[in-house]
Amino acid sequence: KAGVTQTPRYLIKTRGQQVTLSCSPISGHRSVSWYQQTPGQGLQFLFEYFSETQRNKGNFPGRFSGRQFSNSRSEMNVSTLELGDSALYLCASRKGPGTDTQYFGPGTRLTVL
Amino acid sequence: QKEVEQDPGPLSVPEGAIVSLNCTYSNSAFQYFMWYRQYSRKGPELLMYTYSSGNKEDGRFTAQVDKSSKYISLFIRDSQPSDSATYLCAILNNAGNMLTFGGGTRLMVKP
Repeated sequence: KAGVTQTPRYLIKTRGQQVTLSCSPISGHRSVSWYQQTPGQGLQFLFEYFSETQRNKGNFPGRFSGRQFSNSRSEMNVSTLELGDSALYLCASRKGPGTDTQYFGPGTRLTVL
Repeated sequence: QKEVEQDPGPLSVPEGAIVSLNCTYSNSAFQYFMWYRQYSRKGPELLMYTYSSGNKEDGRFTAQVDKSSKYISLFIRDSQPSDSATYLCAILNNAGNMLTFGGGTRLMVKP
């Protein structure tokens, strides 16, 4: 079974631009979560989607948004990029509500110049 | 104070040593505790998953949770150079949809 895939793997943007990252969950998984990983703050939860609805949101500004499609694929968008948004953005999928295991993708490394 | 605290290391041990990795947490309501391993330039992979207090063993790995002291541990026996990675403890919220991670401990096992 294929794992979680994320595209693109690497991205370079400049301040003020916006970016969209994509995540395809494991087949049959309906929940997708997004995390940001930086050397200073570690891994931090951004938001979780299940059945196209945001079910939980972390403590990030409104510039960070996401959505989920009917095939469970998810995108996250960051508008008006700041230097501090440079990070590894990780997507994790799980089957659904409950305490199922979350499986992580390889991440998208975003560099903001 | 962070919800989950973890010594960042790095921790350097010789091959074959027993490794002890630890985290403390602040919210006593947490019930589900995980250990993830992350190799450089990869996403985290789940190693162990423990519910409530007690021990869980899987091969060379043992996870231990002490809810009375809010302390979680991962022991690695007969450590191998391939175990060199960053180890992240994580706590799952009761809704099951958010992981709170420690900062990670970088482990280096030298041949």
